[in-house]
Amino acid sequence: DGGITQSPKYLFRKEGQNVTLSCEQNLNHDAMYWYRQDPGQGLRLIYYSQIVNDFQKGDIAEGYSVSREKKESFPLTVTSAQKNPTAFYLCASRDGAEAFFGQGTRLTVV
Amino acid sequence: KQEVTQIPAALSVPEGENLVLNCSFTDSAIYNLQWFRQDPGKGLTSLLLIQSSQREQTSGRLNASLDKSSGRSTLYIAASQPGDSATYLCAVISNFNKFYFGSGTKLNVKP
Repeated sequence: DGGITQSPKYLFRKEGQNVTLSCEQNLNHDAMYWYRQDPGQGLRLIYYSQIVNDFQKGDIAEGYSVSREKKESFPLTVTSAQKNPTAFYLCASRDGAEAFFGQGTRLTVV
Repeated sequence: KQEVTQIPAALSVPEGENLVLNCSFTDSAIYNLQWFRQDPGKGLTSLLLIQSSQREQTSGRLNASLDKSSGRSTLYIAASQPGDSATYLCAVISNFNKFYFGSGTKLNVKP
């Protein structure tokens, strides 16, 4: 089945630790996105990539980093510089018109 | 910067009612608009996509309209069912390939 796979579903981070969230798609889409969702708020854009080896900062990129070495993969690293990382993270890809989302990763700081 | 607002924030209706969810945006220079459904703890499921040249789209009991000049879209749900209970999000896609989301309308359909 074609789609977007995010892993893990749940992730726990200790203070001062970097963690990487995985996003893989087999839809052959060029554009991929990372969003953060907090309770009662809309989705906020962290980073997006329109093509391999290229990506742009979104509205809340501080404390996050990404790479786009392969078309199907767009991993997000939450660094220790992100002071409030507890949130639900969603990855998406787009075929030029319609966007498709993964099932999300819930990150909790312990 | 594009601002997207969804009203109401929450809605509770008895089963069988027809209902309308509203989405407004501040910049009419959009590429398209997409409505999503989100169940608790889950990702977003695409419901309807309206391209900027279109006025409406229909899928089953759902109908979405778009009025770019006034910066508004509505999602009409006919004959609501308990299984429709979820949060509904609208997103506008700018000409620069960025999505802007509203905060969503949380719908509860009571049996």
